[in-house]
Amino acid sequence: EAGVAQSPRYKIIEKRQSVAFWCNPISGHATLYWYQQILGQGPKLLIQFQNNGVVDDSQLPKDRFSAERLKGVDSTLKIQPAKLEDSAVYLCASSTYRDYEQYFGPGTRLTVT
Amino acid sequence: KQEVTQIPAALSVPEGENLVLNCSFTDSAIYNLQWFRQDPGKGLTSLLLIQSSQREQTSGRLNASLDKSSGRSTLYIAASQPGDSATYLCAVSFDDSWGKLQFGAGTQVVVTP
Repeated sequence: EAGVAQSPRYKIIEKRQSVAFWCNPISGHATLYWYQQILGQGPKLLIQFQNNGVVDDSQLPKDRFSAERLKGVDSTLKIQPAKLEDSAVYLCASSTYRDYEQYFGPGTRLTVT
Repeated sequence: KQEVTQIPAALSVPEGENLVLNCSFTDSAIYNLQWFRQDPGKGLTSLLLIQSSQREQTSGRLNASLDKSSGRSTLYIAASQPGDSATYLCAVSFDDSWGKLQFGAGTQVVVTP
């Protein structure tokens, strides 16, 4: 089966600009996660969707980050405006249901200058 | 606060030696625990998933054990090879987290020929 797809793979922007990331989960997976991984650290959950509803966004900086999952399939994560500390790898993962094994995409490496 | 810790942060072994990677967590009320591998610039590859009711899980040269009462999991990699060089991440889904994974910072492994 096809894995989790993400685009773009790399993005370089200046601070205060906006950026958007796209994720296409494994077909049939109801749960979708966005994680942020800062260099040298483990991934941290930003937001979790169950179908097209938000389950957990407690660690999402809502003043600048937003995310949506249209029709319970693809998802986009947006940052506006970006800060230097947003430089990280943004990972998308999906699972058939919450608490099941998670499968990760290749990630998007964001550099904010 | 629920935390996941991996020690050591880095490990170097000669080819052929067995690898022992440690993971500890602060709350024994877990749903499952996953071990991942991450290669430089890549996403996460799931290695093993252990449900809270299990004591261990095996796949090829990999064996992961789980001791909930002591808050520990150990990943054993038998007869290490240079291709095993990567960062290994432990992630815990706690009972009240609705599938959110709490990651350790990882152990960076180098297997020298």
